[in-house]
Amino acid sequence: DQQVKQNSPSLSVQEGRISILNCDYTNSMFDYFLWYKKYPAEGPTFLISISSIKDKNEDGRFTVFLNKSAKHLSLHIVPSQPGDSAVYFCLHHRGAGGTSYGKLTFGQGTILTVHP
Amino acid sequence: NAGVTQTPKFQVLKTGQSMTLQCAQDMNHEYMSWYRQDPGMGLRLIHYSVGAGITDQGEVPNGYNVSRSTTEDFPLRLLSAAPSQTSVYFCASSLTGGLAYNEQFFGPGTRLTVL
Repeated sequence: DQQVKQNSPSLSVQEGRISILNCDYTNSMFDYFLWYKKYPAEGPTFLISISSIKDKNEDGRFTVFLNKSAKHLSLHIVPSQPGDSAVYFCLHHRGAGGTSYGKLTFGQGTILTVHP
Repeated sequence: NAGVTQTPKFQVLKTGQSMTLQCAQDMNHEYMSWYRQDPGMGLRLIHYSVGAGITDQGEVPNGYNVSRSTTEDFPLRLLSAAPSQTSVYFCASSLTGGLAYNEQFFGPGTRLTVL
């Protein structure tokens, strides 16, 4: 079974600097890895994804890197803004058929605080 | 579009009581799912449905029932609440489960406390 681990429960960054959030996983097949963001009292919202056949995906200030040999995923936010303060979840999406159809596996989350 | 809606937002139950958490989406999504979030843990999948009339168990299904009689609604039932079910519950939907990733849209959550 796929496991996704975020070993840093929190990260504090100054506004304008880079935020780097990390994630390790145990298995990889032809699937997707994702980052979701969650504000208090709201549901998670999709941020960015990467297919397991790629190494990098970029969307504005957000870039996700996938290191398949190390089974490591990271999210870079440049420059960080106070509005980025939230809980960030690393996820795996199993796209193949069978009993894992469409399932998301969440990491534990990292609380990012961006100070003005 | 209202997106994914959940009711109630907050609920307090006594051990042994039953209740239903409601979830509805107006995006004509095939795939719907229920998660629970506990402190220090990511969201864990309880049950999911790939279409009306089809449901299956997720990672932590014990103590919960679901049904999917329409595309729009996916209620979660607690038959006999236990303190271990104190959690925040999120409902989500996506166009399909899909071979390619389909963004899942989450509701705002229901905070449940079982005394």
